[in-house]
Amino acid sequence: QAVVTQEPSLSVSPGGTITLTCGLSSGSVSSNSYPSWYQQTPGQAPRTLIYSTNTRSSGVPDRFSASVVGNKAALTIAGAQADDESDYYCLLNIRSGAPVFGGGTRLTVL
Amino acid sequence: EVQVLESGGGLVQPGGSLTLSCGASGFTFRQYAMSWVRQAPGRGLEWVSGIGHTGADTYYSDSVKGRFTISRDNSKNTLVLQMKSLRADDTAVYYCAKGVTDLDSWGQGTLVTVSS
Repeated sequence: QAVVTQEPSLSVSPGGTITLTCGLSSGSVSSNSYPSWYQQTPGQAPRTLIYSTNTRSSGVPDRFSASVVGNKAALTIAGAQADDESDYYCLLNIRSGAPVFGGGTRLTVL
Repeated sequence: EVQVLESGGGLVQPGGSLTLSCGASGFTFRQYAMSWVRQAPGRGLEWVSGIGHTGADTYYSDSVKGRFTISRDNSKNTLVLQMKSLRADDTAVYYCAKGVTDLDSWGQGTLVTVSS
Protein backbone atom coordinates (compact mmCIF):
# COMPACT_ATOMS: atom_id res chain seq x y z
CA GLN A 1 0.00 0.00 0.00
CA ALA A 2 1.30 3.45 -0.91
CA VAL A 3 2.52 5.57 1.97
CA VAL A 4 1.55 9.23 2.31
CA THR A 5 4.63 11.31 3.05
CA GLN A 6 4.96 14.61 4.91
CA GLU A 7 7.92 16.50 6.33
CA PRO A 8 8.24 15.37 9.98
CA SER A 9 8.99 18.87 11.17
CA LEU A 10 9.33 22.40 9.86
CA SER A 11 9.87 25.79 11.38
CA VAL A 12 8.86 29.28 10.35
CA SER A 13 9.49 32.74 11.72
CA PRO A 14 6.55 34.81 12.92
CA GLY A 15 5.12 36.64 9.92
CA GLY A 16 6.85 34.31 7.51
CA THR A 17 5.46 31.96 4.89
CA ILE A 18 5.88 28.21 4.94
CA THR A 19 4.75 25.42 2.61
CA LEU A 20 4.04 21.91 3.85
CA THR A 21 3.88 19.11 1.31
CA CYS A 22 2.06 15.81 1.02
CA GLY A 23 3.25 13.16 -1.40
CA LEU A 24 3.02 9.49 -2.21
CA SER A 25 5.80 6.94 -1.81
CA SER A 26 4.85 5.68 -5.25
CA GLY A 27 2.95 7.76 -7.74
CA SER A 28 1.76 11.34 -7.89
CA VAL A 29 -0.84 13.32 -6.00
CA SER A 30 -3.55 14.91 -8.13
CA SER A 31 -6.85 16.61 -7.48
CA ASN A 32 -8.38 13.17 -7.97
CA SER A 33 -6.74 12.23 -4.67
CA TYR A 34 -9.02 14.83 -3.01
CA PRO A 35 -6.25 16.09 -0.71
CA SER A 36 -7.44 17.63 2.54
CA TRP A 37 -5.55 19.20 5.42
CA TYR A 38 -6.07 19.14 9.17
CA GLN A 39 -4.56 21.05 12.08
CA GLN A 40 -4.19 19.58 15.55
CA THR A 41 -2.82 21.04 18.72
CA PRO A 42 -1.84 18.70 21.59
CA GLY A 43 -4.79 17.32 23.49
CA GLN A 44 -7.32 18.69 21.03
CA ALA A 45 -9.42 17.16 18.30
CA PRO A 46 -8.30 17.82 14.74
CA ARG A 47 -9.61 20.87 12.94
CA THR A 48 -10.36 20.79 9.23
CA LEU A 49 -8.46 23.45 7.30
CA ILE A 50 -8.78 22.53 3.63
CA TYR A 51 -10.85 20.00 1.69
CA SER A 52 -11.16 19.01 -1.98
CA THR A 53 -7.61 20.19 -2.73
CA ASN A 54 -8.06 23.93 -2.08
CA THR A 55 -11.40 24.79 -0.41
CA ARG A 56 -11.04 26.40 3.02
CA SER A 57 -13.31 25.09 5.72
CA SER A 58 -15.65 27.53 7.42
CA GLY A 59 -13.83 30.00 9.64
CA VAL A 60 -10.35 29.22 8.33
CA PRO A 61 -8.47 32.43 7.56
CA ASP A 62 -7.26 33.05 4.03
CA ARG A 63 -3.67 32.90 5.31
CA PHE A 64 -4.11 29.18 4.72
CA SER A 65 -4.15 28.05 1.10
CA ALA A 66 -3.58 24.78 -0.67
CA SER A 67 -2.92 23.38 -4.11
CA VAL A 68 -1.31 20.54 -6.01
CA VAL A 69 2.21 21.47 -7.09
CA GLY A 70 4.09 19.04 -9.26
CA ASN A 71 3.37 15.61 -7.90
CA LYS A 72 2.48 16.70 -4.35
CA ALA A 73 -0.29 18.45 -2.47
CA ALA A 74 0.85 21.60 -0.71
CA LEU A 75 -0.44 23.68 2.21
CA THR A 76 0.88 27.22 2.45
CA ILE A 77 0.62 29.33 5.58
CA ALA A 78 1.28 33.00 5.03
CA GLY A 79 1.94 35.49 7.81
CA ALA A 80 2.59 32.73 10.33
CA GLN A 81 1.34 33.38 13.85
CA ALA A 82 2.27 31.84 17.16
CA ASP A 83 -0.97 29.89 17.34
CA ASP A 84 -0.20 28.25 14.00
CA GLU A 85 2.26 26.11 15.93
CA SER A 86 0.57 22.71 15.59
CA ASP A 87 0.67 19.34 13.92
CA TYR A 88 -0.63 19.32 10.35
CA TYR A 89 -1.94 16.23 8.60
CA CYS A 90 -2.90 15.62 5.02
CA LEU A 91 -5.41 13.02 3.91
CA LEU A 92 -5.41 11.43 0.46
CA ASN A 93 -7.99 9.22 -1.18
CA ILE A 94 -5.57 6.66 -2.57
CA ARG A 95 -7.97 3.75 -2.79
CA SER A 96 -11.62 4.52 -3.35
CA GLY A 97 -13.40 4.82 -0.04
CA ALA A 98 -10.31 4.20 2.08
CA PRO A 99 -8.30 7.41 2.49
CA VAL A 100 -4.90 7.49 4.16
CA PHE A 101 -3.36 10.13 6.42
CA GLY A 102 0.19 11.28 6.13
CA GLY A 103 2.43 10.98 9.16
CA GLY A 104 1.98 14.64 10.00
CA THR A 105 4.23 17.71 10.09
CA ARG A 106 5.03 19.41 13.38
CA LEU A 107 5.26 23.12 12.68
CA THR A 108 7.22 25.34 15.02
CA VAL A 109 6.85 29.11 14.91
CA LEU A 110 10.00 30.74 16.25
CA GLU B 1 -24.44 24.07 15.34
CA VAL B 2 -23.01 20.85 13.96
CA GLN B 3 -21.98 18.47 16.72
CA VAL B 4 -20.82 14.90 16.96
CA LEU B 5 -20.28 13.17 20.28
CA GLU B 6 -18.48 9.88 20.73
CA SER B 7 -19.12 7.46 23.57
CA GLY B 8 -18.40 3.90 24.57
CA GLY B 9 -14.67 3.95 25.11
CA GLY B 10 -13.01 2.21 28.01
CA LEU B 11 -10.60 -0.47 29.12
CA VAL B 12 -10.85 -3.87 27.45
CA GLN B 13 -8.66 -6.95 27.57
CA PRO B 14 -6.78 -8.18 24.50
CA GLY B 15 -9.08 -10.31 22.39
CA GLY B 16 -12.13 -8.56 23.76
CA SER B 17 -14.85 -6.51 22.12
CA LEU B 18 -16.15 -2.98 22.46
CA THR B 19 -18.78 -0.89 20.70
CA LEU B 20 -18.40 2.83 20.10
CA SER B 21 -21.24 5.19 19.29
CA CYS B 22 -21.36 8.65 17.80
CA GLY B 23 -24.42 10.84 18.13
CA ALA B 24 -24.83 13.60 15.57
CA SER B 25 -26.84 16.80 15.59
CA GLY B 26 -27.07 20.11 13.75
CA PHE B 27 -27.01 18.63 10.25
CA THR B 28 -29.06 16.20 8.17
CA PHE B 29 -27.24 13.07 9.25
CA ARG B 30 -28.80 10.79 6.63
CA GLN B 31 -27.31 12.88 3.82
CA TYR B 32 -23.67 12.47 4.82
CA ALA B 33 -21.07 9.74 4.81
CA MET B 34 -19.31 9.32 8.15
CA SER B 35 -15.94 8.06 9.34
CA TRP B 36 -14.02 6.86 12.34
CA VAL B 37 -10.45 8.08 12.78
CA ARG B 38 -8.12 7.05 15.58
CA GLN B 39 -4.95 8.35 17.18
CA ALA B 40 -2.71 6.14 19.25
CA PRO B 41 -0.89 7.84 22.15
CA GLY B 42 1.85 10.07 20.78
CA ARG B 43 1.14 9.01 17.20
CA GLY B 44 -0.51 10.49 14.15
CA LEU B 45 -4.02 10.24 12.81
CA GLU B 46 -5.20 6.99 11.23
CA TRP B 47 -8.39 6.71 9.18
CA VAL B 48 -10.13 3.53 10.34
CA SER B 49 -13.51 3.12 8.71
CA GLY B 50 -16.18 4.94 6.71
CA ILE B 51 -19.78 4.43 5.69
CA GLY B 52 -21.90 5.91 2.95
CA HIS B 53 -24.94 8.01 3.72
CA THR B 54 -27.40 5.13 3.33
CA GLY B 55 -25.23 2.60 5.12
CA ALA B 56 -25.03 0.37 2.08
CA ASP B 57 -21.34 1.07 1.43
CA THR B 58 -18.73 0.47 4.08
CA TYR B 59 -14.95 0.90 3.98
CA TYR B 60 -12.13 -0.20 6.24
CA SER B 61 -8.41 0.27 6.61
CA ASP B 62 -6.35 -2.87 6.21
CA SER B 63 -5.44 -2.74 9.90
CA VAL B 64 -9.03 -3.29 11.08
CA LYS B 65 -10.67 -5.13 8.19
CA GLY B 66 -12.38 -8.28 9.39
CA ARG B 67 -12.32 -7.17 13.04
CA PHE B 68 -14.28 -3.90 13.05
CA THR B 69 -17.79 -3.28 11.70
CA ILE B 70 -19.20 0.17 11.00
CA SER B 71 -22.92 0.83 10.85
CA ARG B 72 -25.39 3.65 11.22
CA ASP B 73 -28.97 4.27 12.26
CA ASN B 74 -30.27 7.24 10.31
CA SER B 75 -33.50 7.27 12.32
CA LYS B 76 -31.46 7.92 15.47
CA ASN B 77 -28.66 10.03 13.93
CA THR B 78 -26.16 7.53 15.29
CA LEU B 79 -22.93 6.05 13.95
CA VAL B 80 -21.59 2.83 15.47
CA LEU B 81 -18.25 1.04 15.41
CA GLN B 82 -18.24 -2.54 16.66
CA MET B 83 -14.73 -3.70 17.48
CA LYS B 84 -13.72 -7.29 18.18
CA SER B 85 -10.50 -9.26 18.58
CA LEU B 86 -8.98 -6.11 20.01
CA ARG B 87 -5.21 -5.84 20.24
CA ALA B 88 -2.87 -3.62 22.20
CA ASP B 89 -2.18 -1.61 19.06
CA ASP B 90 -5.86 -0.69 18.82
CA THR B 91 -5.33 1.51 21.89
CA ALA B 92 -6.17 5.03 20.77
CA VAL B 93 -8.54 7.95 20.95
CA TYR B 94 -11.29 7.25 18.44
CA TYR B 95 -12.85 10.23 16.66
CA CYS B 96 -16.07 10.39 14.73
CA ALA B 97 -16.15 12.79 11.77
CA LYS B 98 -18.53 13.82 9.02
CA GLY B 99 -17.43 12.69 5.58
CA VAL B 100 -14.94 10.17 4.24
CA THR B 101 -12.49 11.85 1.86
CA ASP B 102 -13.25 15.31 3.27
CA LEU B 103 -13.56 15.00 7.02
CA ASP B 104 -15.36 17.70 8.91
CA SER B 105 -17.08 18.31 12.22
CA TRP B 106 -14.91 16.23 14.48
CA GLY B 107 -15.96 15.03 17.91
CA GLN B 108 -13.72 15.24 20.96
CA GLY B 109 -12.99 11.53 20.82
CA THR B 110 -13.35 8.56 23.14
CA LEU B 111 -10.38 6.65 24.54
CA VAL B 112 -10.09 2.92 23.99
CA THR B 113 -7.42 1.13 26.00
CA VAL B 114 -6.63 -2.49 25.24
CA SER B 115 -4.66 -3.97 28.10
CA SER B 116 -4.66 -6.88 30.49
